[in-house]
Amino acid sequence: DTAVSQTPKYLVTQMGNDKSIKCEQNLGHDTMYWYKQDSKKFLKIMFSYNNKELIINETVPNRFSPKSPDKAHLNLHINSLELGDSAVYFCASSQAQSSNTEAFFGQGTRLTVV
Amino acid sequence: TQLLEQSPQFLSIQEGENLTVYCNSSSVFSSLQWYRQEPGEGPVLLVTVVTGGEVKKLKRLTFQFGDARKDSSLHITAAQPGDTGLYLCAGDDSGAGSYQLTFGKGTKLSVIP
Repeated sequence: DTAVSQTPKYLVTQMGNDKSIKCEQNLGHDTMYWYKQDSKKFLKIMFSYNNKELIINETVPNRFSPKSPDKAHLNLHINSLELGDSAVYFCASSQAQSSNTEAFFGQGTRLTVV
Repeated sequence: TQLLEQSPQFLSIQEGENLTVYCNSSSVFSSLQWYRQEPGEGPVLLVTVVTGGEVKKLKRLTFQFGDARKDSSLHITAAQPGDTGLYLCAGDDSGAGSYQLTFGKGTKLSVIP
């Protein structure tokens, strides 16, 4: 069973569209994240949720809206997509209550905006 | 957000050579992780170091956490083509209650057979 699964793996869409990426973890972790990895492979945190509550919201346009219906799911909705949104988006989870925060990552969603 | 600087950014070596990757910060981290990411996949945890001065070994990989918990190194002995990948260090500053990992920009390693 995949620990952190996100769908879709690839997403090609036109500018201005609205799209969603789904993420689910079956590890029983309390904390879930969305990261963006740019073309230079820099992995930057976007959001962090702990027990369905937003903990971190880094400098991300408000076109990006995470939604956590329960602590096993953290979906990412993006409105009015722009060319600069093209990147690989990774969902991750961790048990934040442990002494060290080890993150388990999904396989990524490669978003291409044309 | 605390910053982590990784060096070198790119490294291409022959099979059998040794190499060291560095991860430095001006900030103290409660722990530091090393991840390896292969193309088309998410990062996978290799090791976590917690105590200043700690050394951990994973087969041919040796990880060290600096005494002041601000820096770390990854040393690979007798590199193999299977070691090729993107190596990322990540600092855990959840001690500040922020529940997040801060990643370095990565070292892309290519081991040539």
